[in-house]
Amino acid sequence: DTEVTQTPKHLVMGMTNKKSLKCEQHMGHRAMYWYKQKAKKPPELMFVYSYEKLSINESVPSRFSPECPNSSLLNLHLHALQPEDSALYLCASSRRGLEETQYFGPGTRLLVL
Amino acid sequence: ELKVEQNPLFLSMQEGKNYTIYCNYSTTSDRLYWYRQDPGKSLESLFVLLSNGAVKQEGRLMASLDTKARLSTLHITAAVHDLSATYFCAVERGGIQGAQKLVFGQGTRLTINP
Repeated sequence: DTEVTQTPKHLVMGMTNKKSLKCEQHMGHRAMYWYKQKAKKPPELMFVYSYEKLSINESVPSRFSPECPNSSLLNLHLHALQPEDSALYLCASSRRGLEETQYFGPGTRLLVL
Repeated sequence: ELKVEQNPLFLSMQEGKNYTIYCNYSTTSDRLYWYRQDPGKSLESLFVLLSNGAVKQEGRLMASLDTKARLSTLHITAAVHDLSATYFCAVERGGIQGAQKLVFGQGTRLTINP
């Protein structure tokens, strides 16, 4: 199983809503990531979890709140988002090996109205 | 600050032709990655290059790494339409135990015409 799954695929929310994005992998990877990708731009790293602990927060606004309940799950809680937060949110995972790479999920396309 | 630059950013080519995408980065790194992204889709890993002089090939794609020049190339041989996609290189910024901190290039949007 080399799959990273993300739900939902699409999400439309108002600026006062609270929603969550979910990411799951069963590859035994101990590092998980959230990226934000705007149209025609490269992915931008938001958060990195290593062994279920938050290792990196790339100065992301507090309206984005990550959570790693266990080694297979990663959540991104959203609250009071702005229209400019509309983007594709990608989850990825990786292991530390000789030729590791990051495996990306299909993404959640978020629209904030 | 690590900067990763790709060129060209847009490439339109004919089937059967050869071309090269370049990826330059600004600070020392031993790991470089190439990914492919189809429109509206996620990223697919193509190559992981781990050391100076590394060369990897898969089908019509070949990637190489020159860490001294801080340059990686992705060479496309006898292009076919199915290779149309956006290609990203990414360099590991390092510094995390058990995880990677990648900085992506801007991406090269490749269109292959019949």
